[in-house]
Amino acid sequence: EPEVTQTPSHQVTQMGQEVILRCVPISNHLYFYWYRQILGQKVEFLVSFYNNEISEKSEIFDDQFSVERPDGSNFTLKIRSTKLEDSAMYFCARGGRASNQPQHFGDGTRLSIL
Amino acid sequence: GIQVEQSPPDLILQEGANSTLRCNFSDSVNNLQWFHQNPWGQLINLFYIPSGTKQNGRLSATTVATERYSLLYISSSQTTDSGVYFCAVASHGFNKFYFGSGTKLNVKP
Repeated sequence: EPEVTQTPSHQVTQMGQEVILRCVPISNHLYFYWYRQILGQKVEFLVSFYNNEISEKSEIFDDQFSVERPDGSNFTLKIRSTKLEDSAMYFCARGGRASNQPQHFGDGTRLSIL
Repeated sequence: GIQVEQSPPDLILQEGANSTLRCNFSDSVNNLQWFHQNPWGQLINLFYIPSGTKQNGRLSATTVATERYSLLYISSSQTTDSGVYFCAVASHGFNKFYFGSGTKLNVKP
């Protein structure tokens, strides 16, 4: 059973549309992360979320992006007006109860912008 | 941020061969993980190894934190070992990962 479940597995969207990617951690943990991997490149950090607040965000995470944990369980990443360069694999990860514990990654959502 | 360098970038092996993948990092870390990215894009966690040595079947890993490097050993490689191997590190604090560029492994039958 995966520790982190991401939906959808693949999303195809027209440029300019909004997308919401979802992540459901199995256990009740405090640390959550979103990462992005453009095809053929390395995985890049987007944003970390601790105790229901953004704790850190990268320069990639501009005003087009937002994260929420609306119901205390699901963890969402929203891209308001998608661009072609947003096409990538997006990974959600959850950390442990301390910052030096391993991160567990979901299977990712492949986002394709047309 | 922390610089993470992985070598070699590409590796071709004959089935049954052994290999060593290296990860160098530029600063002290409190978290280091090795991942295997399969053809479907999933990141499979292989080891959580901020220091010391661990073994899991044909795979083992060693991290020498004081010298800022980690090694992943693959013995008796199989075609299913093919894919990209990533090293990821995090420093003290909120634990965001810095990933290396990966080693792309191709094991031929």
